[in-house]
Amino acid sequence: KNEVEQSPQNLTAQEGEFITINCSYSVGISALHWLQQHPGGGIVSLFMLSSGKKKHGRLIATINIQEKHSSLHITASHPRDSAVYICAVRKGGSEKLVFGKGMKLTVNP
Amino acid sequence: NAGVTQTPKFRVLKTGQSMTLLCAQDMNHEYMYWYRQDPGMGLRLIHYSVGEGTTAKGEVPDGYNVSRLKKQNFLLGLESAAPSQTSVYFCASRPSGNPYSNQPQHFGDGTRLSIL
Repeated sequence: KNEVEQSPQNLTAQEGEFITINCSYSVGISALHWLQQHPGGGIVSLFMLSSGKKKHGRLIATINIQEKHSSLHITASHPRDSAVYICAVRKGGSEKLVFGKGMKLTVNP
Repeated sequence: NAGVTQTPKFRVLKTGQSMTLLCAQDMNHEYMYWYRQDPGMGLRLIHYSVGEGTTAKGEVPDGYNVSRLKKQNFLLGLESAAPSQTSVYFCASRPSGNPYSNQPQHFGDGTRLSIL
């Protein structure tokens, strides 16, 4: 069983919809990262969370440490949000990140 | 600032050939990483470095070697390329600090490597 699971694996939405991407993990962590990978391949860090909630523009990330679960929300989705969204966790005391397989989001106009 | 720069961006090799992928960062970051990304799998750590002159094995180190002779550069070598090493390779770096400081990693644009 993967230590980091993302759901759904693929999602197609219409422009303007509210989107939620989920990440569950099975290990103790010191932080959770949300990353975005565009079709061109580049990877950008969106958020890093150890507790609570963070917001940047139309993106909101939450984490529930007790339930070992995080969500990434996109409000008023736009075609430019089309990308692969990757969840990664840093295990407590480790230098290394463990990555989920990613979720491919397509937002149609 | 260029951030994290990977060269080359694309390469095709024949089985048994050797090559070196270069990662350069201009952010004075202590930590650097090499990952590979394969279809249907998450990014997997090959090797990493926590400072100049130091390297450590990651999750999938076999068939690869690395060197960090200068702080800004992290080289990934394939001594004898195999088709199983066909992948997209990403380099990343981050500032130093206690692991609990949890600084985000900065990624390069990737190197697409095909081994025939």
